Amino acid sequence: SQQGEEDPQALSIQEGENATMNCSYKTSINNLQWYRQNSGRGLVHLILIRSNEREKHSGRLRVTLDTSKKSSSLLITASRAADTASYFCATDSYSGAGSYQLTFGKGTKLSVIP
Amino acid sequence: DARVTQTPRHKVTEMGQEVTMRCQPILGHNTVFWYRQTMMQGLELLAYFRNRAPLDDSGMPKDRFSAEMPDATLATLKIQPSEPRDSAVYFCASGSYLPLGGYGYTFGSGTRLTVV
Repeated sequence: SQQGEEDPQALSIQEGENATMNCSYKTSINNLQWYRQNSGRGLVHLILIRSNEREKHSGRLRVTLDTSKKSSSLLITASRAADTASYFCATDSYSGAGSYQLTFGKGTKLSVIP
Repeated sequence: DARVTQTPRHKVTEMGQEVTMRCQPILGHNTVFWYRQTMMQGLELLAYFRNRAPLDDSGMPKDRFSAEMPDATLATLKIQPSEPRDSAVYFCASGSYLPLGGYGYTFGSGTRLTVV
């Protein structure tokens, strides 16, 4: 079952613009992670934000987390054509018996037009 | 950089045949996940292991799928018999516990399975 739901499903912007993607989830989480997937490739981990954090930066990436609204956003600043990919949020949640599950949303397809 | 290695990268097989996909997790990672990705369903968790012990395989069709981890360097996912609806990209990911809690994961490049 899907835990995270990304919004929008697809986003097309001009190079240099900022791209914002949102993710909502349903249950309590330990942390939330964002991944990128280039067409036909595997997933690449971008950034992890813990449940007790509200904002995190990594290069041109900025992630926010609002646990009261069960939502997160990923901002890519000064986008480049190479940022064209699908972006997934994934929630790391405790599933009982000492185990954690990583559950993905369906992703946002970002197209950056040169 | 440490990598998760999946083999084969591509597999085309006929309906009814057995398919085995292999994954070599990163040395020292104690958690292994198997995911299936399709356009319709997105990324679905099939099974995962902690310290080689299966923890949850509720996402996996038990009648035809099986996942094992015979040793710390190898995880396998088998489909027998395969069906056209099993066509998908299968990803393996391995992870380790982070100092401040939770797990960090690395994904393999996937096995693209086509069942005709």
